[in-house]
Amino acid sequence: SQQGEEDPQALSIQEGENATMNCSYKTSINNLQWYRQNSGRGLVHLILIRSNEREKHSGRLRVTLDTSKKSSSLLITASRAADTASYFCAAILRDNYGQNFVFGPGTRLSVLP
Amino acid sequence: EAGVAQSPRYKIIEKRQSVAFWCNPISGHATLYWYQQILGQGPKLLIQFQNNGVVDDSQLPKDRFSAERLKGVDSTLKIQPAKLEDSAVYLCASSLTGGGLGDYTFGSGTRLTVV
Repeated sequence: SQQGEEDPQALSIQEGENATMNCSYKTSINNLQWYRQNSGRGLVHLILIRSNEREKHSGRLRVTLDTSKKSSSLLITASRAADTASYFCAAILRDNYGQNFVFGPGTRLSVLP
Repeated sequence: EAGVAQSPRYKIIEKRQSVAFWCNPISGHATLYWYQQILGQGPKLLIQFQNNGVVDDSQLPKDRFSAERLKGVDSTLKIQPAKLEDSAVYLCASSLTGGGLGDYTFGSGTRLTVV
């Protein structure tokens, strides 16, 4: 079963608005990462938040982590048309193999000009 | 720094045929991963290598999928015979530290269509 579950599955906003995506996971994590994927391309790492952190910023990105609720959110402020992409959270588990990534199904963001 | 290279970019085959994908990771990255991404879904890990050894292949359909990483550098993923449900993008990724520190780098993927 997938660890990361993003919602909404799809989000459509106007340029300049903020976009918020949520992610839930099921078991204890080492850290949680957010990735972006443009259509037909590979995934690009956006931001990492460790299990002992609650909030992290990177440019127009703000990530929160609530380990008690096993959830995270990604906020993109002042969105641009170029932010149109799919966004995935990856729960990073530590198991017998070491780091183990489990990706959610993603949120497809459309930013309309 | 060169990224993760994958080829071919696209492949169309008939069911029951065989296909192979190639991945060249970033130089020095010991860990290499193959993911399968079905349209509309997140990537699913197929196999993870640490140098030329397999760390995790628990989700690899071993009756038809195989992968190798000779000499701990390039890797190939093979499907034999292909089924319609194998249509997906196959992503290769590599990392220096195992990815836990966010140094995961993905290739652009190979889009496989099985008809």
